[in-house]
Amino acid sequence: DQQVKQNSPSLSVQEGRISILNCDYTNSMFDYFLWYKKYPAEGPTFLISISSIKDKNEDGRFTVFLNKSAKHLSLHIVPSQPGDSAVYFCAAPHRFAGNQFYFGTGTSLTVIP
Amino acid sequence: DAGITQSPRHKVTETGTPVTLRCHQTENHRYMYWYRQDPGHGLRLIHYSYGVKDTDKGEVSDGYSVSRSKTEDFLLTLESATSSQTSVYFCAIANAVGDTQYFGPGTRLTVL
Repeated sequence: DQQVKQNSPSLSVQEGRISILNCDYTNSMFDYFLWYKKYPAEGPTFLISISSIKDKNEDGRFTVFLNKSAKHLSLHIVPSQPGDSAVYFCAAPHRFAGNQFYFGTGTSLTVIP
Repeated sequence: DAGITQSPRHKVTETGTPVTLRCHQTENHRYMYWYRQDPGHGLRLIHYSYGVKDTDKGEVSDGYSVSRSKTEDFLLTLESATSSQTSVYFCAIANAVGDTQYFGPGTRLTVL
């Protein structure tokens, strides 16, 4: 059963506009969430994270929002740039199971110049 | 970038042959992980290690075994490769529970 879900396989956005990527989770034990970015033929790279004690974390053009009551998080990219075109995965670690990470299926973002 | 290498980076093999993939780290991290990435499935955990000689199964462990005899090396073995094991395999490391995982560059395995 998928504990972390990304229901949008793809997203296209014009350069300069906002990109919003969404993620839902089912396990209320998760208390830390991460976003990874992946370019073709490369490994995923860590982008930004958020602890469950916060509802927002910002790093430059990237902001992650967490809504614990809805078990939902989102990644906002403003302004979007062509170099942001990649697959984005959200993930949550299970602290009581060897720090296993549960990953969503990914959203492929295309930023159109 | 975390010091993680994977070898080989690409491999083509035939059904029924054994295959071993290697992950090597220079960060002295305790935790090491093997994932496979397939379209529509994201990243799925195969096996992980929480110390030398300490390993456990992940979500999709059938057909795979692992070994970790040194902190820096984590080996993934397909005893008898099948076409369903055609995938991209990623190794990851983490220093402690709750820490971010850092990924290697991946190994593309094709089983004919």
